[in-house]
Amino acid sequence: DVVMTQSPLSLPVILGQPASISCRSSQSLVYSDGNTYLNWFHQRPGQSPRRLIYKVSNRDSGVPDRFSGSGSGTDFTLKISRVEAEDVGVYYCMQGTHWPGAFGQGTKVEIK
Amino acid sequence: EVQLVESGGGLVQPGRSLRLSCTASGFSFGDYTVTWVRQAPGKGLEWVGIIRSKTYSGTTEYAASVKGRFSISRDDSRSIAYLQMNSLKTEDTAVYYCTRGRREPDYWGQGTLVTVSS
Repeated sequence: DVVMTQSPLSLPVILGQPASISCRSSQSLVYSDGNTYLNWFHQRPGQSPRRLIYKVSNRDSGVPDRFSGSGSGTDFTLKISRVEAEDVGVYYCMQGTHWPGAFGQGTKVEIK
Repeated sequence: EVQLVESGGGLVQPGRSLRLSCTASGFSFGDYTVTWVRQAPGKGLEWVGIIRSKTYSGTTEYAASVKGRFSISRDDSRSIAYLQMNSLKTEDTAVYYCTRGRREPDYWGQGTLVTVSS
């Protein structure tokens, strides 16, 4: 099975400053159709996960443009250009290329 | 508006069974794969299983941790997916979510809590 490894697992950030989360997969996430099914989710306490990014770098509708995704193959990054208070919570990467799908361990973002 | 609503969770003893439902609205349910994901208290997200659309024969796949104990089915006429959980173990205690899609799950329900305890 594919293993997704995120770092860091805890990320204290200062409001208005940038933040970056890394996600690495144990196998290439390029699918036979040429797409790379790497997603990013944000989960606030007591809420369901919300998808932010799909296919590495595509922002979902309503997601602020301070969020961006990048990467290829096995290495991926989620960046927040200027952290706002509403961005706290846990961020998960998830691969949908291989069966079974797999999530990273999660990165907890909190305000310093 | 796309909505997914899980129901059927609760407290159940080890070894017993429980069936969860995922009721969808706001989209053509039959055209989509449904994925079940769970989250143990204070833990991360874990894939449980999927059921593909009839276009892809409605086939199912399961995580190793639940294979042989859990089964997924769907009733497209009612826009409902089911997760039948048998031989429940304490480690199955979690919030169970249903989501739309498999490779890029976009919409998620609010989840339903299953507690397996004697």
